[in-house]
Amino acid sequence: SQKIEQNSEALNIQEGKTATLTCNYTNYSPAYLQWYRQDPGRGPVFLLLIRENEKEKRKERLKVTFDTTLKQSLFHITASQPADSATYLCALPGYSSASKIIFGSGTRLSIRP
Amino acid sequence: DAMVIQNPRYQVTQFGKPVTLSCSQTLNHNVMYWYQQKSSQAPKLLFHYYDKDFNNEADTPDNFQSRRPNTSFCFLDIRSPGLGDAAMYLCATSTAGEQPYNEQFFGPGTRLTVL
Repeated sequence: SQKIEQNSEALNIQEGKTATLTCNYTNYSPAYLQWYRQDPGRGPVFLLLIRENEKEKRKERLKVTFDTTLKQSLFHITASQPADSATYLCALPGYSSASKIIFGSGTRLSIRP
Repeated sequence: DAMVIQNPRYQVTQFGKPVTLSCSQTLNHNVMYWYQQKSSQAPKLLFHYYDKDFNNEADTPDNFQSRRPNTSFCFLDIRSPGLGDAAMYLCATSTAGEQPYNEQFFGPGTRLTVL
């Protein structure tokens, strides 16, 4: 079955630095990968989608890469701010159904002033 | 603004007492999902409706059921809540089938406490 791995340890970085989060997956070749942000006690919010034929996608201070050979996506936040502190989840389409996505457990990011 | 609404935001129930959680959407999306999320864990899909078609996940306990009376509303029924069912329940929608890439829109969640 599909397996999605995100670093379960919290990532703490200084404001202004670039935060890099990792999502690894196995047993699958997804057509796309998504990243969501989740604040405590709230539902996830969609951030970015990257397709299998795209190496990189950018949106303002966010950048996502997708390496289908390594089965890995990297999520970067440049010029990080305390307001970027949240849990970031990656998600892949469900193996058995195109209408489902499967989430990783997320990485908690803390940006200190 | 178009959105996904969940009521109530916080629900307390007693062990074994049936409870219903509600979700409504103004996005007119054809797919609605229910997820269970426990602390520091991934949202776990319980089931989803593709239009009127109900799709249950293989590992969703029989204790959990769902109803979708129309496009806008979806309900999660927990027939006999156990202590292990205490969690955040998230409702989401998407236009999967009309767009292939399945961006999901989530409600704020209902935090269920079982006493």
